Amino acid sequence: DIVLTQSPATLSVTPGESVSLSCRASQGISTSIHWYQQKSNESPRLLIKYASQSISGIPSRFSGSGSGTDFTLSINRVESEDFSVYYCQQSYSLPLTFGSGTKLEIK
Amino acid sequence: QVQLKETGPGLVQPTQTLSITCTVSGFSLTSYYMQWVRQTPGKGLEWMGFIRSGGSTEYNSEFKSRLSISRDTSKNQVFLKMNSLKTEDTGVYYCAREDRVGAPYFDYWGQGVMVTVSS
Repeated sequence: DIVLTQSPATLSVTPGESVSLSCRASQGISTSIHWYQQKSNESPRLLIKYASQSISGIPSRFSGSGSGTDFTLSINRVESEDFSVYYCQQSYSLPLTFGSGTKLEIK
Repeated sequence: QVQLKETGPGLVQPTQTLSITCTVSGFSLTSYYMQWVRQTPGKGLEWMGFIRSGGSTEYNSEFKSRLSISRDTSKNQVFLKMNSLKTEDTGVYYCAREDRVGAPYFDYWGQGVMVTVSS
């Protein structure tokens, strides 16, 4: 199974800062990585597909990059509504797997 | 618009069988793969399996021996059944839609159903 390691586990930032969240795969997965945001007591929401492709309705401050084993979700100028947990998910091979998440919290 | 809604028992006793129904609207089950994902305190988000638009299924080997996914297209419903429940199966169970065939990421999710396994 492909293991996804997200770092850091928690990131404390001030609104207005820009941040980068990391997701590392245990083997090369091309660009088969997708990012989700999960707010407390809500379902995950798709933010980015295939490492860098945007999703309709998602603010442009969210962007993704990477290929192979290292991937990054970037948030340009974090807003108050962005404080939540972020997960990556790989679709390169079954079983589909998720990372353990990065919690973005207010400093 | 696209909607998914899970319904289930809430509380299940250990060793018993869990049955959850996902009722969808706004699209056809014969055009999309439907996925099941759970979120537990111990393992976080876990992919459980899916049913293809044609009706065949694929399961995570972690659950394969005790998991079954099926559907009733006339009722726009997808079903999850898992037997031999343990306390560590406690968590939130989601159905989700795969964006398009061959693209296994999830563009729509249900609100989830909380399942507690306890005697």
